[in-house]
Amino acid sequence: DVKVTQSSRYLVKRTGEKVFLECVQDMDHENMFWYRQDPGLGLRLIYFSYDVKMKEKGDIPEGYSVSREKKERFSLILESASTNQTSMYLCASTTGQFSNQPQHFGDGTRLSIL
Amino acid sequence: SQQGEEDPQALSIQEGENATMNCSYKTSINNLQWYRQNSGRGLVHLILIRSNEREKHSGRLRVTLDTSKKSSSLLITASRAADTASYFCATDAPNFHSGTYKYIFGTGTRLKVLA
Repeated sequence: DVKVTQSSRYLVKRTGEKVFLECVQDMDHENMFWYRQDPGLGLRLIYFSYDVKMKEKGDIPEGYSVSREKKERFSLILESASTNQTSMYLCASTTGQFSNQPQHFGDGTRLSIL
Repeated sequence: SQQGEEDPQALSIQEGENATMNCSYKTSINNLQWYRQNSGRGLVHLILIRSNEREKHSGRLRVTLDTSKKSSSLLITASRAADTASYFCATDAPNFHSGTYKYIFGTGTRLKVLA
């Protein structure tokens, strides 16, 4: 089974801090995604990557950046955390260049910015 | 917003009853997927239906797709307490510039199955 592991289940940080969320997948998937999930808004795509060192902006990239130095690892960076970035963050991966593959999700990181 | 919408937002039924939830989307698609999310966990893939398919079954799940109405429905038959979860649809959205694609998720339906 594909395993997508997010480094922390719960994280509390302060306003203005630089925050790193890490995601690792063990199935050699080409594509990785970062979403945030907020009540009533569903999942919104922040960034995605289809290859090492490649990245594309999703629907809400402002305030975030990403890094993909190795195929299995995709990091989400909050450059200067703000309270409106308090949310559940979900990482996912898929294989292949077509959209007919399921996404495999980690269990999420619930991030609180104080 | 490109997001899809699901209807109803919340649904509460008795064990053994059927649960139907609907998804509407805005752009043309190649595939539509349904996912389940248990409380505090990540999403789990349930079923994928291609744009040229009208109906698909998997165990107690039945998915229909109407591309002319840009809508899909998920039916869970003979529901169980363990089906209590949130359910999301996701559609693909190609990025022709880069040759990649992303997924657009609906806002979800919270299903509660009472024992």
